[in-house]
Amino acid sequence: GESVGLHLPTLSVQEGDNSIINCAYSNSASDYFIWYKQESGKGPQFIIDIRSNMDKRQGQRVTVLLNKTVKHLSLQIAATQPGDSAVYFCAEKFDAGKSTFGDGTTLTVKP
Amino acid sequence: DTEVTQTPKHLVMGMTNKKSLKCEQHMGHRAMYWYKQKAKKPPELMFVYSYEKLSINESVPSRFSPECPNSSLLNLHLHALQPEDSALYLCASSLAGGAQETQYFGPGTRLLVL
Repeated sequence: GESVGLHLPTLSVQEGDNSIINCAYSNSASDYFIWYKQESGKGPQFIIDIRSNMDKRQGQRVTVLLNKTVKHLSLQIAATQPGDSAVYFCAEKFDAGKSTFGDGTTLTVKP
Repeated sequence: DTEVTQTPKHLVMGMTNKKSLKCEQHMGHRAMYWYKQKAKKPPELMFVYSYEKLSINESVPSRFSPECPNSSLLNLHLHALQPEDSALYLCASSLAGGAQETQYFGPGTRLLVL
């Protein structure tokens, strides 16, 4: 069977390694998903989004994967840098205006 | 300009005080949002304004009163708050409040209720 990554509240990686952050969403009717990065003392910052008619989307150093069968999202960060250290949230939208955030993952990048 | 600004950055208030949080954006967005975020938790939606009209109230207690005087400004009036209301209050905006829109967040106001 397919292995689905578990959500971890914290993740520690070495600088230069790739990071994978997982998120399970709750509503099968959700059709839009966003990853946010929140640094200490700041508001959430948009990283990348994906619509439900896609299963993969790539940005600069980041890739989001969507598995609707098991309601799972992942964020992959290539060549992780110290500046990537932050809390990462996934969010799902299934109704106009309403975003529901998942539990965050605190990413720590060790130099 | 892709910035949402919030004032004040920090606020300490007593349970009998009345205060207001302010949010401003100049991106031409017509939807604005208030979120509450407790420490180490995700943001929770409180209110949504679309075209200056309140479209969503997530069963927020009446001691929180939102106001949208125009399309660029969003206020949150606070009265008779409780210590458990201490949190980071985040404002966000998006194009028109549609389902597949990116929300842009401000830095938040950190509120402490004594």
